[in-house]
Amino acid sequence: QSVLTQPPSVSAAPGQKVTISCSGSSSNIGNNYVSWYQQLPGTAPKLLIYDNNKRPSGIPDRFSGSKSGTSATLGITGLQTGDEADYYCGTWDSSLSVMVFGGGTKLTVL
Amino acid sequence: EVQLVESGGGLVQPGGSLRLSCAASGFTVSSIYMSWVRQAPGKGLEWVSFIYSGGSTYYADSVKGRFTISRDNSKNTLYLQMNSLRAEDTAVYYCARVLYGYSMDYWGQGTLVTVSS
Repeated sequence: QSVLTQPPSVSAAPGQKVTISCSGSSSNIGNNYVSWYQQLPGTAPKLLIYDNNKRPSGIPDRFSGSKSGTSATLGITGLQTGDEADYYCGTWDSSLSVMVFGGGTKLTVL
Repeated sequence: EVQLVESGGGLVQPGGSLRLSCAASGFTVSSIYMSWVRQAPGKGLEWVSFIYSGGSTYYADSVKGRFTISRDNSKNTLYLQMNSLRAEDTAVYYCARVLYGYSMDYWGQGTLVTVSS
């Protein structure tokens, strides 16, 4: 059971928009930055969003992040088949003094 | 160019030990936070350990007392010493560079550790 809760799967058609939620508590999301990672099959995770809503260089603006209270959301617009991957949220938990990840969400582009 | 290359994985018997290495280039490991993250087969990401630039270390409860993170500044390399290994430690182990805010911006390719008799 992960400290951060994500839906196991989401799906949408090419060109559409999808959102992935990440729910936590005041000790983690509520008081720390959230990051999001994309993991394509058989590869290492890749940073998509850091500090709640910032994109590293090279990440297209189709990817966005937001945070409100103890929840965070990853948005992906203009879906492409190449976006099919597992997506993870992560943050620091100040009470436990550990890094925590969500259980991951598998995105299927129908 | 920032690059992280892990090595040292392999097959080990339960109760055995293994040391993973993560050779860094393009930056200095001693000047930034570094982390180990693992992923069991078919499972999600699990954080294992941090080492801060000042040398402080943090561990997941699942590995505390058995794993030790360290670095060799002269070799610009991060290590994970793993003792008393268990079957549930079987995973791909990634090293990652950690930014302020605890996001991990560069990851290695991973090294597979299999604990089995």
